[in-house]
Amino acid sequence: EDKVVQSPLSLVVHEGDTVTLNCSYEVTNFRSLLWYKQEKKAPTFLFMLTSSGIEKKSGRLSSILDKKELFSILNITATQTGDSAVYLCAVISSGSARQLTFGSGTQLTVLP
Amino acid sequence: EPEVTQTPSHQVTQMGQEVILRCVPISNHLYFYWYRQILGQKVEFLVSFYNNEISEKSEIFDDQFSVERPDGSNFTLKIRSTKLEDSAMYFCASRLTGGWNTEAFFGQGTRLTVV
Repeated sequence: EDKVVQSPLSLVVHEGDTVTLNCSYEVTNFRSLLWYKQEKKAPTFLFMLTSSGIEKKSGRLSSILDKKELFSILNITATQTGDSAVYLCAVISSGSARQLTFGSGTQLTVLP
Repeated sequence: EPEVTQTPSHQVTQMGQEVILRCVPISNHLYFYWYRQILGQKVEFLVSFYNNEISEKSEIFDDQFSVERPDGSNFTLKIRSTKLEDSAMYFCASRLTGGWNTEAFFGQGTRLTVV
């Protein structure tokens, strides 16, 4: 059974801090790893990672994948209160329908 | 920007009743999914749908559940004889292709409350 584990489960920081969120996985036939941000309802897509060592970057957010050690990290620099959300990690394996297997998420709270 | 839309946003139903949750995937997408998230728990895969048939389903998706694409745009999840434990947020998602390098776009979800 595919497994995705995120840590920490929750994190409280102050504006301006830098945070690192972790995602480790055990899946058969790994294909890609995705990060989503979930504020109130729908998960919104952040990054898709398929190759080791290539950093994806979008503004203050960046992410990297290590396929040898089976983990990914999501970094957020200079955090803002608007970054407060649940950050979800999900993997796609080569099943027939390419569904996502999600981790439990990290609840990030950024205090002013 | 194209988006996945779901209706209703919130549905309250009595135990034992049937509910239909509706989704309009992004128009040129070919793969459709239902996920659910019980409050405080992780997002769980229910079913995937491609070419007018179920391509994969989880053990959660038993005979109580069914999916349909009744026309060219809607994608529905029917839950028969609802139970209290069916209370959850139900997300519809769609993907352009079934390839491993295309992301899934999620709708805003339907919060189902079974009383």
